[in-house]
Amino acid sequence: AQSVTQPDIHITVSEGASLELRCNYSYGATPYLFWYVQSPGQGLQLLLKYFSGDTLVQGIKGFEAEFKRSQSSFNLRKPSVHWSDAAEYFCAVGAKETSYDKVIFGPGTSLSVIP
Amino acid sequence: NAGVTQTPKFQVLKTGQSMTLQCAQDMNHEYMSWYRQDPGMGLRLIHYSVGAGITDQGEVPNGYNVSRSTTEDFPLRLLSAAPSQTSVYFCASRLLGSPLHFGNGTRLTVT
Repeated sequence: AQSVTQPDIHITVSEGASLELRCNYSYGATPYLFWYVQSPGQGLQLLLKYFSGDTLVQGIKGFEAEFKRSQSSFNLRKPSVHWSDAAEYFCAVGAKETSYDKVIFGPGTSLSVIP
Repeated sequence: NAGVTQTPKFQVLKTGQSMTLQCAQDMNHEYMSWYRQDPGMGLRLIHYSVGAGITDQGEVPNGYNVSRSTTEDFPLRLLSAAPSQTSVYFCASRLLGSPLHFGNGTRLTVT
């Protein structure tokens, strides 16, 4: 069965600082991986996805993530955080091998940005 | 193109009442799913479906029923609401192997 952990419940960074949000997954086969963002009171927006190929993927809003199979990780990064990035971030993993796959989410990391 | 449409947006139920949360998508997606979102728990998968007539349980299926009679619709039924089911519910759909498209959510309170 798939599972996702996000070790950091809450992170606070200063505007302009760099950001890394951690995500570790457990899945027996080749996964596909996502990061979603949820602003307060809003729905979920896809930031980026990894299916195959280049392990460094670029997303919207200047975010990127790197898939490291050896570490079962898919950490999200941004070189310079903006105040509007304050939100909840969710990592998710899906099964790639079968039609009966499902997408499982981590518990989320809440990001606060200090002006 | 409406995407994923959830109704209602808000609902208050008394313990023991039943209700159905509606979800419809117009993107011809095979896969549809229901999640509940609770503080500190992220999104937990309740039930999902990979096509009409096919459903399966997710992480937290107890207390919820689903059916998938058409590709477009995937209603979630609460047979006897409990306070523990107070949550925000999201419906999502996708083509298999692609990212999820989410509805705007239903905020349910059970008193």
